[in-house]
Amino acid sequence: KAGVTQTPRYLIKTRGQQVTLSCSPISGHRSVSWYQQTPGQGLQFLFEYFSETQRNKGNFPGRFSGRQFSNSRSEMNVSTLELGDSALYLCASSLYAGSGETQYFGPGTRLLVL
Amino acid sequence: EDQVTQSPEALRLQEGESSSLNCSYTVSGLRGLFWYRQDPGKGPEFLFTLYSAGEEKEKERLKATLTKKESFLHITAPKPEDSATYLCAVGSNNNAGNMLTFGGGTRLMVKP
Repeated sequence: KAGVTQTPRYLIKTRGQQVTLSCSPISGHRSVSWYQQTPGQGLQFLFEYFSETQRNKGNFPGRFSGRQFSNSRSEMNVSTLELGDSALYLCASSLYAGSGETQYFGPGTRLLVL
Repeated sequence: EDQVTQSPEALRLQEGESSSLNCSYTVSGLRGLFWYRQDPGKGPEFLFTLYSAGEEKEKERLKATLTKKESFLHITAPKPEDSATYLCAVGSNNNAGNMLTFGGGTRLMVKP
């Protein structure tokens, strides 16, 4: 079974631009979560989608948004990029939604903001 | 608010030298404790899920255990390929959905 896939793998943007990242979950998985990983803050939860509905959101500004499609694929968008948004963005999928569900991570998208 | 603390931050071992990594947690209603391995530039790779105190799981040279306050990842006779960052995370009743709270990780280096 194919794992979680994320595109693009690497991205370079400049301040003020916006970016869209894509995530395809493991086949059959209906829940998709997004995390930001930086050397200083570690892994931090951004938001989670299940059946096209956002179920939970982390402590990030409104510039960070996401959505999920009917095939469970998900996108996240960051508008008005700041230097501090440079990070590894990770997508994880699980069969169902629930804090006891095992999440499987993709390879991540490395975003560099100049 | 859930809190997860991992120690040590970094650990250097000689090949074959067994040791343990610690994950201390404070949650309101543990739903699951998760261990992941992360290699540089890659996404976390799932290792174990533990649900209740006293539970143990093993995979090759790794064994994870859980108490009411902490979890240990025991590494027996490690090899250089075990070098990676090991992450611990918890899911709890504090949060709806799948939100995981992660610890800072333990960077393990195994020298031949």
